[in-house]
Amino acid sequence: DVKVTQSSRYLVKRTGEKVFLECVQDMDHENMFWYRQDPGLGLRLIYFSYDVKMKEKGDIPEGYSVSREKKERFSLILESASTNQTSMYLCASSLGVVLGGGARETQYFGPGTRLLVL
Amino acid sequence: QKEVEQDPGPLSVPEGAIVSLNCTYSNSAFQYFMWYRQYSRKGPELLMYTYSSGNKEDGRFTAQVDKSSKYISLFIRDSQPSDSATYLCAMSAHDSWGKLQFGAGTQVVVTP
Repeated sequence: DVKVTQSSRYLVKRTGEKVFLECVQDMDHENMFWYRQDPGLGLRLIYFSYDVKMKEKGDIPEGYSVSREKKERFSLILESASTNQTSMYLCASSLGVVLGGGARETQYFGPGTRLLVL
Repeated sequence: QKEVEQDPGPLSVPEGAIVSLNCTYSNSAFQYFMWYRQYSRKGPELLMYTYSSGNKEDGRFTAQVDKSSKYISLFIRDSQPSDSATYLCAMSAHDSWGKLQFGAGTQVVVTP
């Protein structure tokens, strides 16, 4: 079974703080993704990475950055947290373009981190 | 207009009924179609995966894809209270670098 873990389930931070959210997957997946999920807005892609040290902006990258130094780990960084970044943050991974066809597109999600910025 | 449209519900059904969920989409390049289930305060979990058109069955779940109509469906037979969750459709094109387009999710409530 694919396992995607996130460093915290709940996090409370103050406005202006630098926030790190960590994600680790154990299935040697190429692709990793960060989303935020808000009521009425659904899942919105922040950043994704298709290889170590590679990153691509998603639909809402402003105010965020990412780091992928190792294949299994993808970090989301809020440089200066603001109240409008209060949200549920979800990490996901997928097999990627190498090999297999089949279900390579399917993404496997972590449990999520509920971030509250005060 | 969003690429993927999904009625947010809530959809309330009695236990044992068939739950019918659907999504419409506008991008004819989509080839990979997925349904995810998300319980409250949890991450989405993959339920069904379908490539291109056709039907796929897994236990009480059936996924259908009609590419000519740009319409996908998920049916849940003999629904149980444990099926109460939000169901999200997702899809992608071959050249999308693994990026998925998600529907907004439909909240389903199965009442005992």
